[in-house]
This record gives sequence, C-alpha cells and structure tokens, in this order.
Amino acid sequence: DADVTQTPRNRITKTGKRIMLECSQTKGHDRMYWYRQDPGLGLRLIYYSFDVKDINKGEISDGYSVSRQAQAKFSLSLESAIPNQTALYFCATSVRGSGANVLTFGAGSRLTVL
Amino acid sequence: GQSLEQPSEVTAVEGAIVQINCTYQTSGFYGLSWYQQHDGGAPTFLSYNALDGLEETGRFSSFLSRSDSYGYLLLQELQMKDSASYFCAVANANRDDKIIFGKGTRLHILP
Repeated sequence: DADVTQTPRNRITKTGKRIMLECSQTKGHDRMYWYRQDPGLGLRLIYYSFDVKDINKGEISDGYSVSRQAQAKFSLSLESAIPNQTALYFCATSVRGSGANVLTFGAGSRLTVL
Repeated sequence: GQSLEQPSEVTAVEGAIVQINCTYQTSGFYGLSWYQQHDGGAPTFLSYNALDGLEETGRFSSFLSRSDSYGYLLLQELQMKDSASYFCAVANANRDDKIIFGKGTRLHILP
C-alpha cells in the first residue's frame, strides 16, 4: 500500500457541486499539505496542517476548506465547485525538524469541473 | 511574500551535463529543495540544501548560495529517464514554515 493515499484519483463533477478529496497516510508524519497543480503554474499551496489542531491557509485558499480528522487524515473540500478549480490536486506529508523539507506526495487526484 | 524563478524549459543531450537554476525571494529563508516529476506522476524529493555549497547524490548535485538567493540542480551523465519536470522549493524560517514551489523546469533530453 502507498504511504500517502488520495481518493478519488479522478473525479468529474458539475459546477456548484460539493466535492471532497481525501488523503490518508501511514508514515506517521505530523505535517500534511494540499497543493494544486496547473500546467505552467507549478504546485501552489492551498492549506497545510502541522497537527490536528493547527491548520493554516496557503497561497490560494479561497474557495477551499480542509479538515484534519486525525493525524493520518487530511481532507480538502470544495464547497461549490467552479470550472477554474479543474486541476490536479496533491496531498503531501512531512515530519517536523530536519525532515520538514522532505515532502512525500500522494499520487494525485485529478478533478474536472464542468 | 515568497517567489521563485526557474527556466520553463531546458534541452540537453543524452550523456551530457545540465544545470537548472533557481533564484528565490523570501523572508526568513530556511532551505532549498528540489523535486522531480515525471509525466503523470507525483513529485519526488531529490535533494535539500540548508547551507551554502554543493550536495552530491549520485548523478545529481544541488548547490546553494544564500548570499545570492540562488541555487541550482546539476544532472550529470544524462539518461533518457531523466526527462521530467524539476521543481525548486523553499521553506520559510518563520513559524508557519510553509513550503512554496517554483513553476518548474521541463527537461527535454535528446538522443
């Protein structure tokens, strides 16, 4: 099994629908991140969490919300999806301290909003 | 805020050496990382520099100059499998310690 698992891997939805992308990890890492990838724009940080009670906005948090249900689970929600949220979404994890800059990524969730 | 600049594309020949540069602007710099991403795949960690100088890991090396806010990834003995996108990323030394990525450099390797 993968260390960082994202579900669903692919999702097509319609404008206005609520969507949840889920991420779970078995690495025991305390830090979890959600990034969005668009062609030519690299990886942009949406939200990040350093532990269950610590959630922070990233570069592009508008239109998104997150929930850290447990140390191992970090979900990303789009309350009312719009077409420009069509993108590839990655969850990532890291540990605190010297390993904080080594991110382990999930396989990605491709979201299409029609 | 933070920003990183890297070339959008680089082309090199199989067996050659290529350097991918990254300049950054950030408040409270903590370290510079490099990630590789093949088409259809997830980014994978390559290297991390917190101090000035060169870090070598097999065919890949990464360099950092904190005074110049500059780093590079050096790939030697290029192989076709090195065709991928390469991202530099910085972490901020402030409490929030978020990791921000550059837009990526697409490396094309010619036979």
